[in-house]
Amino acid sequence: EDQVTQSPEALRLQEGESSSLNCSYTVSGLRGLFWYRQDPGKGPEFLFTLYSAGEEKEKERLKATLTKKESFLHITAPKPEDSATYLCAAKPRFETSGSRLTFGEGTQLTVNP
Amino acid sequence: DAGVIQSPRHEVTEMGQEVTLRCKPISGHDYLFWYRQTMMRGLELLIYFNNNVPIDDSGMPEDRFSAKMPNASFSTLKIQPSEPRDSAVYFCASIPHLNTGELFFGEGSRLTVL
Repeated sequence: EDQVTQSPEALRLQEGESSSLNCSYTVSGLRGLFWYRQDPGKGPEFLFTLYSAGEEKEKERLKATLTKKESFLHITAPKPEDSATYLCAAKPRFETSGSRLTFGEGTQLTVNP
Repeated sequence: DAGVIQSPRHEVTEMGQEVTLRCKPISGHDYLFWYRQTMMRGLELLIYFNNNVPIDDSGMPEDRFSAKMPNASFSTLKIQPSEPRDSAVYFCASIPHLNTGELFFGEGSRLTVL
């Protein structure tokens, strides 16, 4: 069974304090690993797609990396506006049901000023 | 583009009542998904459509749940009769094709069943 596990569940940082979020995945051949940001009362918003081990993507203070077993979302010098829940999702290569993504439970990030 | 539009944003109902949630996908997106999000189970795919045709409804929890897509710009998710354990946030999402995992989500419908 495909599984995605995120850690930590919650993370509190001071503004400017860099850190990383972890996403461990077990899927039947990875087709893609996706990161989303979700603000309270909103739907998830797409951030990145990673396809192969060693790949990196960056956007402002965020950088996502991928290995064969996990992905990291690195947050450099975060600001309060980076506070949100970050979700990762995995898409298996040989899926039989279209675009079924397996989502992790998310990491709730709070950045204090 | 206005994005994926869902209504109502909030619904409070009593057990046994019928609930209908609505979704308008982004124009030109051929795929529409209904997800449910709870604290206990996170985001779960309920059903998805391709060109208005239901493709995979294996995530629909029970026969009390049904979904339709009568045309390319409208879909409904119906729960009849509703139960307290159906309380969750229901999201609709759309994508132009399956070669992407970039789902465009609506803002969700928060359902509370008393």
